Amino acid sequence: ETGVTQTPRHLVMGMTNKKSLKCEQHLGHNAMYWYKQSAKKPLELMFVYNFKEQTENNSVPSRFSPECPNSSHLFLHLHTLQPEDSALYLCASSQDRLAEQYFGPGTRLTVT
Amino acid sequence: GDSVTQMEGPVTLSEEAFLTINCTYTATGYPSLFWYVQYPGEGLQLLLKATKADDKGSNKGFEATYRKETTSFHLEKGSVQVSDSAVYFCALINNNDMRFGAGTRLTVKP
Repeated sequence: ETGVTQTPRHLVMGMTNKKSLKCEQHLGHNAMYWYKQSAKKPLELMFVYNFKEQTENNSVPSRFSPECPNSSHLFLHLHTLQPEDSALYLCASSQDRLAEQYFGPGTRLTVT
Repeated sequence: GDSVTQMEGPVTLSEEAFLTINCTYTATGYPSLFWYVQYPGEGLQLLLKATKADDKGSNKGFEATYRKETTSFHLEKGSVQVSDSAVYFCALINNNDMRFGAGTRLTVKP
């Protein structure tokens, strides 16, 4: 497995469910990111981790909870989501904050 | 703050036509500039980059030149193919922050 992988690729969940998105990077990078991509809206940066420490939280609602257990793995825990949270969630990694980011294929989330 | 502005789409071209997607930026200092491409159902892929003024990034027939005097990084390709249909994002990195443009959807018809 190479690059950045994300699982699952598709997820349908009810508003009362709890689920988690997983991201793994095989590039030896030190920074990891979560983005939200909604139709007809710009890419939104949600969270940034640098050397496993969260360095940025861009006013993301608490129903989204990130976790970075090590520099290769990043999770996004979801609970009591709203239909407007339906989107493509993209994970990315980079060698450091000054380097280009490499993206995973995304998880298409639908909240019913 | 820093920002990236790219031409609104969608852009529709016939196969073998010349492509230009305009991108301009606002930033203090000397940002690095990037173009990413997103094919349907996939994440963003790095297409090319340039890290200093007058650098030209190129990949898969696409080119972009870092123009500091006009704060631009326009994407060009001499002859597009149907397989180039995708959304293209211009981006910059400056002061540890990455900023993306809104994306330009390109459709190439046979």
